[in-house]
Parts: sequence; C-alpha cells; structure tokens
Amino acid sequence: KAGVTQTPRYLIKTRGQQVTLSCSPISGHRSVSWYQQTPGQGLQFLFEYFSETQRNKGNFPGRFSGRQFSNSRSEMNVSTLELGDSALYLCASSLAGGTNPYNEQFFGPGTRLTVL
Amino acid sequence: AQSVTQLGSHVSVSEGALVLLRCNYSSSVPPYLFWYVQYPNQGLQLLLKYTSAATLVKGINGFEAEFKKSETSFHLTKPSAHMSDAAEYFCAVSESSNYKLTFGKGTLLTVNP
Repeated sequence: KAGVTQTPRYLIKTRGQQVTLSCSPISGHRSVSWYQQTPGQGLQFLFEYFSETQRNKGNFPGRFSGRQFSNSRSEMNVSTLELGDSALYLCASSLAGGTNPYNEQFFGPGTRLTVL
Repeated sequence: AQSVTQLGSHVSVSEGALVLLRCNYSSSVPPYLFWYVQYPNQGLQLLLKYTSAATLVKGINGFEAEFKKSETSFHLTKPSAHMSDAAEYFCAVSESSNYKLTFGKGTLLTVNP
C-alpha cells in the first residue's frame, strides 16, 4: 500500500506570495492532519480534516488555511508569506473512526518551504 | 491543556550501550502517548504507542517504553544501541479521539562507534 505523499517536496517563495501544498493520504484513510516543523518551535499542529470537515485547529493565524476533498486528498494554503513561515510542513493520515478510539497517524516526507 | 517535556535535547551513547530517552507529559484526561523517530530529510515514523492497554509497550527496532501514571512519564529505552538508531526522537501526546498530536521538542540521539 502506498504511503502518504506530499507535493512538492521543496518550494522556494518570496515574502508576500502565497503557496499551496498538497497531501495524498493512504488509500482508505479519511483523516488528514497538518503540522509545521521549525527548529525554534518544533512540531506544531495546524489543523485536521475528516470527511471534508475541519475538526481541529491549532493556534495559527488565518493566513494558514486548508481543505479536504471528497477523495480525502488535502491541501493547505498559506497566504501573504512571511520569513517565519519557512518550515517543513508535514501531513499525516489516519483511518479515524471504527472500533479503535485512536488510530495511528502515518506521516508523509514533508514539503520544505523556504521563504526569501 | 496537554504538553510534553523531553529531557535532554541531545543524547550521545556508545554502540551497544543502553538508550534511555526521557519523556514527561501532562494531560487533563487519560492520554494516548507515542514515540516517533525522524531520520534526516524524512517524515516521522511511529516507534510505539500507549493506548491504555499494557503499561509496557514494545515497538519496532527493539525499542520499548513504560507508561508510569504516578510519574507522568513515558520513557523510551533500548537495551543495546545500534549505529542505525542515530536520529531524532519525538514523544507525543493526544487526548482521546481528537487526533491532535502535541509533540515534545525532540531528542537527537547520536551513537558513537
């Protein structure tokens, strides 16, 4: 079974631009979560989507947004990029629901965003 | 609110020595606890998880962790380090069913020959 894929793997943007990152979950997984990883702040939760609905949201400004499509693929968008948005953005997918109260999250390789 | 503290941002051991990576958590509800490993330029891989079953959890690559509620700890151990264990390790906590993982700052493990 293919793992979580993220595109693109690397991205360079300039301040003020916007960017869209894509995540394809493992087949059958309905929950997709996004995390930002930086040397200073570590791994921080951005948001989680399940069946096209945002269920959880972290403490990030409104410039960070996301969505999920009917096939469970997800995108996140960052508008008006700032230097501090440079980070590794990780996507994770999970089965969610079912008889298990918590299902393992499987992470993709991430998208490395550099803002100049 | 839940939080995770990993003691020691960098741990160095010799090959064949015991690995001990420390993790303490706080949570207002019975937590789900995880250890993840991250190799350079890669995503996170789950090593093991505690979900209120056995308190001693065995994971992949010979790692295990013990949940101690009284100490709010979930330390990761491996009896004998291998060079391939060199990576960054993250402890994480999640409250039931909310799928939001809160991570510690990570511990970089170096294994010396």
